[in-house]
Amino acid sequence: NAGVTQTPKFQVLKTGQSMTLQCAQDMNHNSMYWYRQDPGMGLRLIYYSASEGTTDKGEVPNGYNVSRLNKREFSLRLESAAPSQTSVYFCASSGDGSGNTIYFGEGSWLTVV
Amino acid sequence: AQSVTQLDSHVSVSEGTPVLLRCNYSSSYSPSLFWYVQHPNKGLQLLLKYTSAATLVKGINGFEAEFKKSETSFHLTKPSAHMSDAAEYFCVVSEVFRVSGTYKYIFGTGTRLKVLA
Repeated sequence: NAGVTQTPKFQVLKTGQSMTLQCAQDMNHNSMYWYRQDPGMGLRLIYYSASEGTTDKGEVPNGYNVSRLNKREFSLRLESAAPSQTSVYFCASSGDGSGNTIYFGEGSWLTVV
Repeated sequence: AQSVTQLDSHVSVSEGTPVLLRCNYSSSYSPSLFWYVQHPNKGLQLLLKYTSAATLVKGINGFEAEFKKSETSFHLTKPSAHMSDAAEYFCVVSEVFRVSGTYKYIFGTGTRLKVLA
């Protein structure tokens, strides 16, 4: 009953360091997403992947890269972290069709100092 | 493009009184609409969703929402608030990405519900 699993849950980085957030889902979903959540701004889409081997930019892709490793896994990489990337990051997945529910991981709290 | 507006950033109610969280959307066709709840330091959990079946949708924990096309609204209600309802609530609309054909989910900015003892 895992659903969407993301790691790590908490991370502190220094400006300029790199890191990768890992995400895996066990619901056989084609679509996967990375969002960031900042106070008063709701969730904003960073990147999404419609299927294995494809990725596309969302609203706020600058400073991030993603990899859809296989159908289950979708990772988010910060190549050179900046304080503006301090945020809570959520991975999510959904099935096909507009009425499909989007399922979220528990979130990753990232602080860049 | 679709958008979602949550009309109140904060709502305070007393325990046992009704809850109303307001959401308006803009859409060029029949949307799918969702409400999610987020408790502090947790992920988002689905409360309920509308997908063009019944306009009054019942969800978990006694919440319900009514889709009103003429008013482009999808307000969330609960007859009697409980302390455990204190959380942030997000209204969400889904639309298709033109190029990939997959669906994206557009979030409102959230309403923080406070329940007073």
